[in-house]
Amino acid sequence: DAGVTQSPTHLIKTRGQQVTLRCSPKSGHDTVSWYQQALGQGPQFIFQYYEEEERQRGNFPDRFSGHQFPNYSSELNVNALLLGDSALYLCASGSKGTDYEQYFGPGTRLTVT
Amino acid sequence: AQSVTQPDIHITVSEGASLELRCNYSYGATPYLFWYVQSPGQGLQLLLKYFSGDTLVQGIKGFEAEFKRSQSSFNLRKPSVHWSDAAEYFCAVGLAGNNRKLIWGLGTSLAVNP
Repeated sequence: DAGVTQSPTHLIKTRGQQVTLRCSPKSGHDTVSWYQQALGQGPQFIFQYYEEEERQRGNFPDRFSGHQFPNYSSELNVNALLLGDSALYLCASGSKGTDYEQYFGPGTRLTVT
Repeated sequence: AQSVTQPDIHITVSEGASLELRCNYSYGATPYLFWYVQSPGQGLQLLLKYFSGDTLVQGIKGFEAEFKRSQSSFNLRKPSVHWSDAAEYFCAVGLAGNNRKLIWGLGTSLAVNP
């Protein structure tokens, strides 16, 4: 049983560019949450998707957007990249009935230069 | 505002010694409480969780945690640390009625001396 998978593992972008990160949830899970983890910090909640809709959002600007597909996989898009967007982006999946129990992927390390 | 505090940024213990990592939260009601571990280059793994009931919860890898309402604390403990326990440990809070996100502490980095 595959756990949560994320791609790519690492990514280097230039300021002003756009980036798309991908996540496939654990089998049987239908919710996907995205977190940003800056170096030396705890994860910060970006948003969560269920039934292809954004259910809740953290304190992130509109440059951060997402999508969930019918197969429950998800994408995180970040436009107009800033140096401060450099971080580890974590995807976590869960099921509607057990929202709190989230399983995390290994993350995508984004570096903005 | 709700917050989670992990007072110890870094802790070093000897292998075989006992361990206690501290976590305090600020919230008006009883939250849902979690401890996660993050090893280098890996994602976060859930060690244990508290929702209700017995305030002493057992987790994986020999860890346990105790919820103390009067102290707003949820400290993580292990009686005998192994070298493989070296990692970053995060305490997180899920807010009742707002079950769509977790609020995280800044983490405690654990080093284990042989």
